[in-house]
Amino acid sequence: ETAVFQTPNYHVTQVGNEVSFNCKQTLGHDTMYWYKQDSKKLLKIMFSYNNKQLIVNETVPRRFSPQSSDKAHLNLRIKSVEPEDSAVYLCASRHGGVNAEQFFGPGTRLTVL
Amino acid sequence: GDSVTQTEGLVTLTEGLPVMLNCTYQTIYSNPFLFWYVQHLNESPRLLLKSFTDNKRTEHQGFHATLHKSSSSFHLQKSSAQLSDSALYYCALSDRYNQGKLIFGQGTKLSIKP
Repeated sequence: ETAVFQTPNYHVTQVGNEVSFNCKQTLGHDTMYWYKQDSKKLLKIMFSYNNKQLIVNETVPRRFSPQSSDKAHLNLRIKSVEPEDSAVYLCASRHGGVNAEQFFGPGTRLTVL
Repeated sequence: GDSVTQTEGLVTLTEGLPVMLNCTYQTIYSNPFLFWYVQHLNESPRLLLKSFTDNKRTEHQGFHATLHKSSSSFHLQKSSAQLSDSALYYCALSDRYNQGKLIFGQGTKLSIKP
């Protein structure tokens, strides 16, 4: 099956802990993204990455960092979570030009207590 | 910077009535790429339709939209709403100089009643 896969589906943790989320795409795409969808359903870009360049949205706190081993994987690490990090984190990928469709994974829902 | 503004909040319609969800955008680039994504309950967003050509109607799954550069608009329309159209709709602009990252509007929840 070709798609965008994310693990875990859900994660509950305490303030100050470190968490990591995984994303893998089997679509053969060359660009991947992390988006944050908050409780008001606002969708905001966090990172975009291809095998040449990482672009970080300027509003993303430094405790967030992407990690990639190859063009099929883009993980997300949060060093010390805070309550406002509670959200759904969506991974997406795209192939070809910037006018191409982005395919989204099912998301990881993070709850910070 | 680039931005997208959509019809606020919740739109509730009776089945069979026409749908129109507003989207306007701001960008310094003369050739914008606009998208509509739809997110059904407990699912992830998926592409509904897209356009890059001024004044050309694009259609998919009964929905249509026309990019109008003169008014910076890309409104989503459907002639007759169905119960299955109930979902969250996002208008988005591609940031072509930053790896095509999507700049989303705030989303419009469409609720169709029998």
